[in-house]
Amino acid sequence: EPEVTQTPSHQVTQMGQEVILRCVPISNHLYFYWYRQILGQKVEFLVSFYNNEISEKSEIFDDQFSVERPDGSNFTLKIRSTKLEDSAMYFCASRAGQGESPLHFGNGTRLTVT
Amino acid sequence: QKEVEQNSGPLSVPEGAIASLNCTYSDRGSQSFFWYRQYSGKSPELIMSIYSNGDKEDGRFTAQLNKASQYVSLLIRDSQPSDSATYLCAVGSNSGYALNFGKGTSLLVTP
Repeated sequence: EPEVTQTPSHQVTQMGQEVILRCVPISNHLYFYWYRQILGQKVEFLVSFYNNEISEKSEIFDDQFSVERPDGSNFTLKIRSTKLEDSAMYFCASRAGQGESPLHFGNGTRLTVT
Repeated sequence: QKEVEQNSGPLSVPEGAIASLNCTYSDRGSQSFFWYRQYSGKSPELIMSIYSNGDKEDGRFTAQLNKASQYVSLLIRDSQPSDSATYLCAVGSNSGYALNFGKGTSLLVTP
């Protein structure tokens, strides 16, 4: 069964550094997402991406965050200057369509900011 | 603020019993509803989806939706210890893009 793949599985970085989290969505999916989950808390929506542009974003997704689909397969999340509070599990997800189409999640990247 | 509310639990049921998980949501325009299961340290995995009022059954799972009451539930019949996990309710936003998640209900099925 096709799956969403994320790399790396664990990233450790120092405060103030830039990080790029990478994802390969399911190949025939058109909608791409980033979510984060701080330890012990809920899964929070960050951003959705469709047709090479952001379709919706949350309050969390401020100027420190950006997303890109640099080629036909990869989807990236960049955090420009990491803060301690950015430490979380970051999940990439994709879906075939809107509305009734479910999200399929990758295994996540655990980001630790020291 | 589009809220999705779940009782955090833990909900403890004996093996073989029915587990009942509940969720309420604030966005009256929501049209799609999903239940996900999340094991500790893992990513959410889809259990089932529901879009119309009423019941939808899939094996041991039944989802129930009442849009007038803004209420979604999940019943797990013949609960097994392997069902012990956190169950996440997800509600589609009015825009059709985002899914907003509740905090999840922790289920413990005891042998």
